[in-house]
Amino acid sequence: KQEVTQIPAALSVPEGENLVLNCSFTDSAIYNLQWFRQDPGKGLTSLLLIQSSQREQTSGRLNASLDKSSGRSTLYIAASQPGDSATYLCAAPSTTNAGKSTFGDGTTLTVKP
Amino acid sequence: DAEITQSPRHKITETGRQVTLACHQTWNHNNMFWYRQDLGHGLRLIHYSYGVHDTNKGEVSDGYSVSRSNTEDLPLTLESAASSQTSVYFCASSDRPYGYTFGSGTRLTVV
Repeated sequence: KQEVTQIPAALSVPEGENLVLNCSFTDSAIYNLQWFRQDPGKGLTSLLLIQSSQREQTSGRLNASLDKSSGRSTLYIAASQPGDSATYLCAAPSTTNAGKSTFGDGTTLTVKP
Repeated sequence: DAEITQSPRHKITETGRQVTLACHQTWNHNNMFWYRQDLGHGLRLIHYSYGVHDTNKGEVSDGYSVSRSNTEDLPLTLESAASSQTSVYFCASSDRPYGYTFGSGTRLTVV
């Protein structure tokens, strides 16, 4: 059974800082890994999707990397802004059925002006 | 543009009533999912479907049911609403190369 862990559960940084969010998964036989953002009271918005054949994906100030051998993915946010404050979740497909992903509990990020 | 929509956005119902939450997607995805999200529990899977006429139980399926009669829709029914089912409900769809897409959620209150 796939298990996904995100540490820390919460993170507070000053504006402008570069930061890394971590995602660990127990079964490395995944075919993709997805990062989401969730604002309070809102749904989940997909940020980046990394296929198993890729090592990283970039979108603007966001860069996500994937290391299947170590069971880790990181989301790098450059030059953080108060608008980046949100909860960030990662998701990895279940090994028992690739159509269903396991979600981490998320890291809640606060960027202080 | 393709999308996934949930309705209603907010619902208040009484204990014991049957409630149906709608989920409609135009992505033409085979896979559809229902989750609930509560403080301290993260996302918990209720039911899911891999295609028309296919349904499967998730980790918190008691008191809920789904049916899949076409590709686009996966309605979630609470057979007899209980206060413990007060939550935010999210529908999602996926297909292998594209990952998950979520709806905006339905906030359900059972009084």
